[in-house]
Amino acid sequence: GAVVSQHPSWVICKSGTSVKIECRSLDFQATTMFWYRQFPKQSLMLMATSNEGSKATYEQGVEKDKFLINHASLTLSTLTVTSAHPEDSSFYICSAGSRGAYSNQPQHFGDGTRLSIL
Amino acid sequence: GDSVTQMEGPVTLSEEAFLTINCTYTATGYPSLFWYVQYPGEGLQLLLKATKADDKGSNKGFEATYRKETTSFHLEKGSVQVSDSAVYFCALRTNNDMRFGAGTRLTVKP
Repeated sequence: GAVVSQHPSWVICKSGTSVKIECRSLDFQATTMFWYRQFPKQSLMLMATSNEGSKATYEQGVEKDKFLINHASLTLSTLTVTSAHPEDSSFYICSAGSRGAYSNQPQHFGDGTRLSIL
Repeated sequence: GDSVTQMEGPVTLSEEAFLTINCTYTATGYPSLFWYVQYPGEGLQLLLKATKADDKGSNKGFEATYRKETTSFHLEKGSVQVSDSAVYFCALRTNNDMRFGAGTRLTVKP
């Protein structure tokens, strides 16, 4: 079946560092990728939706200058947490799928990235 | 906007007990509905799905029926096992958006 690869799986870094997380669809073309954040024991929170070749759509309350999303190809989307601080520590998950007429297809999720900012 | 309301947990059951996790949704269009499962330390996995009214999704003994009249997609299993212990998320998808419920933690004791 379709596989989404997310990398890295775990990052520990100092406050002020920028961290890039990659989400790759390995065997299908992902026209749409979603980025989620999950706080401990809570649900996924949608951060942004990225469509290949266009700017990402951010959810209310998500700082687009803080969380930079790039979806330059049909197989790769990146989330960059700029100048990360301890409050950015969280579990970030991407998912990939096709938009529009294929909305009855499930999203395929990466395994997530655990980000810890010291 | 679109939303998913899911039964709050945690839920603790004995092995072989019957499981129901309630899920209702609000959507302006005709969403597809999904149940995802997250085992400890792992990412989300698709458990089952239904794409139109009256469809029944099933997998690994779990079932859920898309009920348009009650806007519900309750997850059921007749006899749970210890290995079913996980967090279960109900989700809906419209053309370009996806929403999740808050998740329900299930613990099955031997």
